Amino acid sequence: DIQMTQSPSTLSASVGDRVTITCRASQSISSWLAWYQQKPGKAPKLLIYKASSLESGVPSRFSGSGSGTEFTLTISSPQPDDFATYYCQQYNSYPWTFGQGTKVEIK
Amino acid sequence: QVQLQESGPGLVKPSETLSLTCTVSGGSISDYYWSWIRQPPGKGLEWVAYIYSSGSTNYNPSLKSRVAMSVDTSNNQFSLNLRSVTAADTAVYYCARRHSSTWYFDHWGQGTLVTVSS
Repeated sequence: DIQMTQSPSTLSASVGDRVTITCRASQSISSWLAWYQQKPGKAPKLLIYKASSLESGVPSRFSGSGSGTEFTLTISSPQPDDFATYYCQQYNSYPWTFGQGTKVEIK
Repeated sequence: QVQLQESGPGLVKPSETLSLTCTVSGGSISDYYWSWIRQPPGKGLEWVAYIYSSGSTNYNPSLKSRVAMSVDTSNNQFSLNLRSVTAADTAVYYCARRHSSTWYFDHWGQGTLVTVSS
């Protein structure tokens, strides 16, 4: 299985700070990476697919980049609604696997 | 807009079978892949299994010996059976739809907590 490792596990930021989350794959996954946002008690919500494509309806302050084994999710100016846990998911190889999550907290 | 809703018992005894159903509304179950994804309390996400509307399946190798999925296209539902459960199977179970062409998940149910305990 491809292992997905996110860093950091927890991140404290203020509203308006730039936030960057990293996701590393144990082997190359090309650009077959998705990012999800999850709030407590809710299902994950798709934000980005194919590493950098923004899902319809997702604010443009979210962006993704990377290819191969290293990827980033950036929130350019986080709003109060953005404080949540974020997961990456690879879909290059079966079985599809997720990172362990990064919790973004309000400082 | 497609909506998914999980249903099933919230408590299952150890060694018994966990059975869940996902009902799809607002769209047809046909011509899509449907998955189960689970999340133990306070932990990350694990893909469990998928089924195509035709009935073809694939399971996570870590669970393959215990899991089975089925589909009921006439009722727009699909189901999960997980045999011989232990406390490690305690999780929120989500049903989800794969994107039309590739393997990320663009529609999710709200999730249902299943606790394995005697």
